[in-house]
Amino acid sequence: DGGITQSPKYLFRKEGQNVTLSCEQNLNHDAMYWYRQDPGQGLRLIYYSQIVNDFQKGDIAEGYSVSREKKESFPLTVTSAQKNPTAFYLCASSATGTEGTQYFGPGTRLLVL
Amino acid sequence: AQSVTQLGSHVSVSEGALVLLRCNYSSSVPPYLFWYVQYPNQGLQLLLKYTTGATLVKGINGFEAEFKKSETSFHLTKPSAHMSDAAEYFCAAHNTDKLIFGTGTRLQVFP
Repeated sequence: DGGITQSPKYLFRKEGQNVTLSCEQNLNHDAMYWYRQDPGQGLRLIYYSQIVNDFQKGDIAEGYSVSREKKESFPLTVTSAQKNPTAFYLCASSATGTEGTQYFGPGTRLLVL
Repeated sequence: AQSVTQLGSHVSVSEGALVLLRCNYSSSVPPYLFWYVQYPNQGLQLLLKYTTGATLVKGINGFEAEFKKSETSFHLTKPSAHMSDAAEYFCAAHNTDKLIFGTGTRLQVFP
């Protein structure tokens, strides 16, 4: 089955720790995105990548980092500089020529211990 | 900057009643427009989208939305609500290389 997978479903972070959220897609999509979701605030774009080895900051990139070494993978690292990391993180991808239609993974909930 | 506004963070309807979720966009050029649905602790699922052509767009689960350029609106409707429609709904507009999302509307359906 084609789709987007995110792991783990739940992740716990200790103070001062970096954690990495995984996002993999087998849809052969060129573009991938990371969003943060907090109650009542909708989705906020963290980073996005339209092609391998290139990515752009979104609206709330501070405290996060990404890499895009392979087309199918777009991991997100939440660094210790992100002081309020507790949120639901969503990964999405889209194909060229689909008017920007994005397809989403199931999400990872990050909690701080 | 382009923005998407969803009027009403919470909407409650009775089962069988009409569902109307409002979305307005701000753009001088009509963008591509989307509605997504999110069930608790899950990702977003595409309900429908408007690109060009027919202004009344039909989606999954009996939902439809009408693009009205004069009102810069893209409201989502369903004639008869089901209990299974209870979820959060997001309107989004395509802007260059990303989507701009509204803040969402939580739909409650009462028996």
